[in-house]
Amino acid sequence: GIQVEQSPPDLILQEGANSTLRCNFSDSVNNLQWFHQNPWGQLINLFYIPSGTKQNGRLSATTVATERYSLLYISSSQTTDSGVYFCAVARNRDDKIIFGKGTRLHILP
Amino acid sequence: DAGITQSPRHKVTETGTPVTLRCHQTENHRYMYWYRQDPGHGLRLIHYSYGVKDTDKGEVSDGYSVSRSKTEDFLLTLESATSSQTSVYFCATGSRLGQGNEKLFFGSGTQLSVL
Repeated sequence: GIQVEQSPPDLILQEGANSTLRCNFSDSVNNLQWFHQNPWGQLINLFYIPSGTKQNGRLSATTVATERYSLLYISSSQTTDSGVYFCAVARNRDDKIIFGKGTRLHILP
Repeated sequence: DAGITQSPRHKVTETGTPVTLRCHQTENHRYMYWYRQDPGHGLRLIHYSYGVKDTDKGEVSDGYSVSRSKTEDFLLTLESATSSQTSVYFCATGSRLGQGNEKLFFGSGTQLSVL
């Protein structure tokens, strides 16, 4: 099946810093999403982005489908950005959605 | 966000007992999923459903069964719970997008401990 690798596994930053999280996948995908899991365990969908670039406030994401990777950018980090960020992909319509192991982000005040 | 309710939120049970977790949605989403989350493994797919009575296996389906008799409910059953099934279980539903793919929304999770 398709493999999803996220890097780095852990990231510690000072409040106000910028960060880039990466998601590599082993096959072409028709569906790619980014999620944030907050310290209380809640999973929030950040972006649906199988290709191209999207922005939502301080967060933006870019997927280069031909090169099989996606990047999540967080600018001017806040402590509320702490948590685990997951990338999830599916190869085709109706295919199962598989998650990477996540990047744990810790923003220090 | 989608209205997804998982029950129970917490459960402690003994090895060998049957356990059923329930996921209920109010959004009429066609797709429903069960994932488990364990340290170092991220979220792993157990089973998923693409319609009433239509289900398929995920990455870690051994020891689990599912049923979906109506759109709004997706049940996950552990026939005989084992300690390796201690985990946090998440239900998700898929909202259909224009290209036919779905965007996932998650419930709050069920913490299951098998002693």
